[in-house]
Amino acid sequence: GAVVSQHPSWVICKSGTSVKIECRSLDFQATTMFWYRQFPKQSLMLMATSNEGSKATYEQGVEKDKFLINHASLTLSTLTVTSAHPEDSSFYICSVASRPEQYFGPGTRLTVT
Amino acid sequence: AQSVTQPDIHITVSEGASLELRCNYSYGATPYLFWYVQSPGQGLQLLLKYFSGDTLVQGIKGFEAEFKRSQSSFNLRKPSVHWSDAAEYFCAVAVGKNTGFQKLVFGTGTRLLVSP
Repeated sequence: GAVVSQHPSWVICKSGTSVKIECRSLDFQATTMFWYRQFPKQSLMLMATSNEGSKATYEQGVEKDKFLINHASLTLSTLTVTSAHPEDSSFYICSVASRPEQYFGPGTRLTVT
Repeated sequence: AQSVTQPDIHITVSEGASLELRCNYSYGATPYLFWYVQSPGQGLQLLLKYFSGDTLVQGIKGFEAEFKRSQSSFNLRKPSVHWSDAAEYFCAVAVGKNTGFQKLVFGTGTRLLVSP
């Protein structure tokens, strides 16, 4: 399967600032990537589908102006949390689509103080 | 709507004992089913998958799962649990046949605790 990395693995930011999370597909050309959010001891919640060269598709209830997704190449998708607030603190996981399978990154823990 | 149910939130098993984690799905067509494992603070690792064919599928780390269409189930089993198996386990179904199975729907997960 595909090898997926995320950077950073852990980030702390102050309320009101923006933070960017990178998701890289190391050995697979990923036309589609997914971004998930996971709260402690809960399941994964799909936030958006990231398509290379086009706009992301957001799930209902996810603020697209707050969670900016860019998929500029076949190996990189980025999630930017803008004007972060403490309630945005969560574990963010990306995945690479190799339909119908997905290969997951190790996740990024975001803490907003 | 498609859904996945994992009825057990927590399960504790003694090391060396057998394990079965339950998963029931709701999906109109033949499902593509997965089991993933997540260690604390980590991403998800694919244990095994079912697409078609033999209903008993083998995975990594000694895990297996059996697809039972009549029961809409895809239970995960392991004959002898090791302490390193303690983790969170997620069952998932791929949905969106018309869009190339664009998405995965996850169950709520089962946390496995292994006692000495």
